[in-house]
Amino acid sequence: SAVISQKPSRDICQRGTSLTIQCQVDSQVTMMFWYRQQPGQSLTLIATANQGSEATYESGFVIDKFPISRPNLTFSTLTVSNMSPEDSSIYLCSVEGGGIPDTQYFGPGTRLTVL
Amino acid sequence: SQKIEQNSEALNIQEGKTATLTCNYTNYSPAYLQWYRQDPGRGPVFLLLIRENEKEKRKERLKVTFDTTLKQSLFHITASQPADSATYLCALGGATNKLIFGTGTLLAVQP
Repeated sequence: SAVISQKPSRDICQRGTSLTIQCQVDSQVTMMFWYRQQPGQSLTLIATANQGSEATYESGFVIDKFPISRPNLTFSTLTVSNMSPEDSSIYLCSVEGGGIPDTQYFGPGTRLTVL
Repeated sequence: SQKIEQNSEALNIQEGKTATLTCNYTNYSPAYLQWYRQDPGRGPVFLLLIRENEKEKRKERLKVTFDTTLKQSLFHITASQPADSATYLCALGGATNKLIFGTGTLLAVQP
């Protein structure tokens, strides 16, 4: 299974600023996913990031608010722009792959608090 | 719209008993269903996958069933242990590789 790390693990930010979250995988993967998990809620998919193409965003999420980069097969970033307290959440990246098709492996998450 | 429901309340059981968690869904025909475990402050960890043409899947003390007629999956942990205490998430998937997650059930196994 893939080993995924995320930076930062947590942050406290001021309203109106932006934060970039990094996701690093120990092997090359085609598909990477970014999720949001609001307090007490389940995971909601923000976007799918494939290397060499624009990210595909889910309904309710837009590129201006959550720009994503995918410069190579082991790395991706998610930026949360112009933050408001409603953006306080855990942000998780995941990758598909490993021994069982269609399964996903998740990073530890980034806990974001916006004041 | 697609909807996935899991036991909203925490499930408390005694060590050694079998825990049974439920996942019901509507307005969706998934090609497969997955169960994940999530501990506080950590990302979900994959446990089991069952496909639409399978009725049951087992892995050690875990068993999952999938009834596409009832639109329901049951997740069983036999001989439960306090270390099994966590939130368990079901997730549905199809041809697009995207997963739709349920809200999760918090399982507490009392020693």
